[in-house]
Amino acid sequence: SQQGEEDPQALSIQEGENATMNCSYKTSINNLQWYRQNSGRGLVHLILIRSNEREKHSGRLRVTLDTSKKSSSLLITASRAADTASYFCATVFSGGSNYKLTFGKGTLLTVNP
Amino acid sequence: ETGVTQTPRHLVMGMTNKKSLKCEQHLGHNAMYWYKQSAKKPLELMFVYSLEERVENNSVPSRFSPECPNSSHLFLHLHTLQPEDSALYLCASSQAGVEETQYFGPGTRLLVL
Repeated sequence: SQQGEEDPQALSIQEGENATMNCSYKTSINNLQWYRQNSGRGLVHLILIRSNEREKHSGRLRVTLDTSKKSSSLLITASRAADTASYFCATVFSGGSNYKLTFGKGTLLTVNP
Repeated sequence: ETGVTQTPRHLVMGMTNKKSLKCEQHLGHNAMYWYKQSAKKPLELMFVYSLEERVENNSVPSRFSPECPNSSHLFLHLHTLQPEDSALYLCASSQAGVEETQYFGPGTRLLVL
């Protein structure tokens, strides 16, 4: 399977703590994206990192990409109860169609107040 | 969420019914997508339209029939569905060839009885 695999499947933390989610994939990519989904709603794009980038920041989000290990991590700092959601990584594979995102099963993050 | 809208938000139908899901994007994009999201499974790409032409059909059963009359509207026509087709159906759009980020609608929760 080419899809990304998030780890852990579920994560529960206290407000103010940092949350780290990981994503692994199997083939070469053009870019990797992280999306967030609140329960039963649509996905919201968070951040895109290209294969020639190693780290990107956006507000309280930090994404790293290690193409040698075929893995990425999403760090949410100073978490809030409103960060409770499912987080998905999605990859665009090298040589594939640039519109074709392949999603993992997601990490369910619960931030307790 | 106002960038991509979907109607209806909830739908209950019998196996012999015919219904349609509607998606509209207000972002000026030229590509639109249908995804299926079932419990415990990754998002499954069903159909892709780019410049109003279907460019992807991921072995979707013929009881699902997409239609893209223009770059802003996308329909999914449903007939003689099965209970296992119950899922969240998500529409997304993007600017093909320019940006790989996809923008999602809130989804239609479908229950087939």
